[in-house]
Amino acid sequence: QVQLQESGPGLLKPSEALSLTCIVSGVSITSDYWTWIRQPPGKELEWIGYIHSNGNTNYNPPLKDRVTISVDTSRSQLSLRLSSVTAADTAIYYCVKGGGYYTDWGHGTLVTVSS
Amino acid sequence: IVLTQSPGTLSLSPGERATVSCRASQSVSYNYLAWYQQKPGQAPRLLMYRGSTRATGIPDRFSGSGSGTDFTLTISRLEPEDFAVYYCQHYGNPPRTFGQGTKVEIK
Repeated sequence: QVQLQESGPGLLKPSEALSLTCIVSGVSITSDYWTWIRQPPGKELEWIGYIHSNGNTNYNPPLKDRVTISVDTSRSQLSLRLSSVTAADTAIYYCVKGGGYYTDWGHGTLVTVSS
Repeated sequence: IVLTQSPGTLSLSPGERATVSCRASQSVSYNYLAWYQQKPGQAPRLLMYRGSTRATGIPDRFSGSGSGTDFTLTISRLEPEDFAVYYCQHYGNPPRTFGQGTKVEIK
């Protein structure tokens, strides 16, 4: 059974960098795509980007200059870094298995950006 | 690709039929269109992929149809657990995008 567990700081100040991790269990992190998706409270889903275990990445153009997704296969861990956050980055961040349609989702972690 | 869902909210009673539309700003290649259900406080759940293929464990009262730029999710007879928000998503060439969501609420 695939399990994805996100963790992160919860609260950030504007201009700080967001760093999230996702522990993957129940499946090998190799040989698949892994995606981050976010959802501002009460709003729709936004695709952030994906990474393949071979290191290939693709990011959403509006976020491209601020986002980095990485994978640590030795720890079975996925990471997201988003620099220079603003209030508009307040959202639930989901770690998701797959690069196309998404069958397995983490529970999500809420990140709030506020001074 | 911009996905526009309609209606924004659907008010129906249990047992009724629900129809949710998803229109794409350009043709979705290979019908790479998925549907998700999201309940409050939960992550989305995959319902359909490739436009009309039900995901594992999804009841057959859910069906998907369409091609090109127009897709539809139909729930033949609403069960109490079906009242939720539904999203479409394309997964052709990146960036992936989602529709803005359709809320199916109890009338």
